[in-house]
Amino acid sequence: GNSVTQMEGPVTLSEEAFLTINCTYTATGYPSLFWYVQYPGEGLQLLLKATKADDKGSNKGFEATYRKETTSFHLEKGSVQVSDSAVYFCALRTNFGNEKLTFGTGTRLTIIP
Amino acid sequence: NAGVTQTPKFRVLKTGQSMTLLCAQDMNHEYMYWYRQDPGMGLRLIHYSVGEGTTAKGEVPDGYNVSRLKKQNFLLGLESAAPSQTSVYFCASSYPLGNRDKNIQYFGAGTRLSVL
Repeated sequence: GNSVTQMEGPVTLSEEAFLTINCTYTATGYPSLFWYVQYPGEGLQLLLKATKADDKGSNKGFEATYRKETTSFHLEKGSVQVSDSAVYFCALRTNFGNEKLTFGTGTRLTIIP
Repeated sequence: NAGVTQTPKFRVLKTGQSMTLLCAQDMNHEYMYWYRQDPGMGLRLIHYSVGEGTTAKGEVPDGYNVSRLKKQNFLLGLESAAPSQTSVYFCASSYPLGNRDKNIQYFGAGTRLSVL
């Protein structure tokens, strides 16, 4: 079956540090890949996505590249801000069958000034 | 534009009580979903619907029922609540898979449920 593995949290960084949150997946076929972010007290919102191999999704300074050869979709940001403190979820959706998203367990990120 | 609205935001139940969680979306989405979020487990799909009048089981459907009588609403029911159903519940909606550019799930703010 499909699965998503994220790096364990929590992650604490200083402001302006470089961020990497690892995500690897197992899926049938060629899934679409997503990063969702959940700010405190809110629902999940889409941060970025990639629908095919070598695609790079980007938004708000965050980037992730769909690597088929390593089945990975690592999230990166060059200089984090306090406002980036949130829980980040990696997810995949296969492009056939039902609409189900398979989520990783989430990584809590805290940025300290 | 309200997006996806969930009511209530918080609820405390006693074991054996029943309740209904309401999800409403104003984006004319065909697909709607109910997830539960538990520590260390990410989000798991309970039930989903691909259109008005249709429902289907997800990963963890036991103990829950759903109804989609109107396109904009998706109700999640707990007939006899158990402590194992203590969780945060999220509703989401999206366009169908065929509309790939728009096939993004939009989430509500969640309902925090405690069953004592």
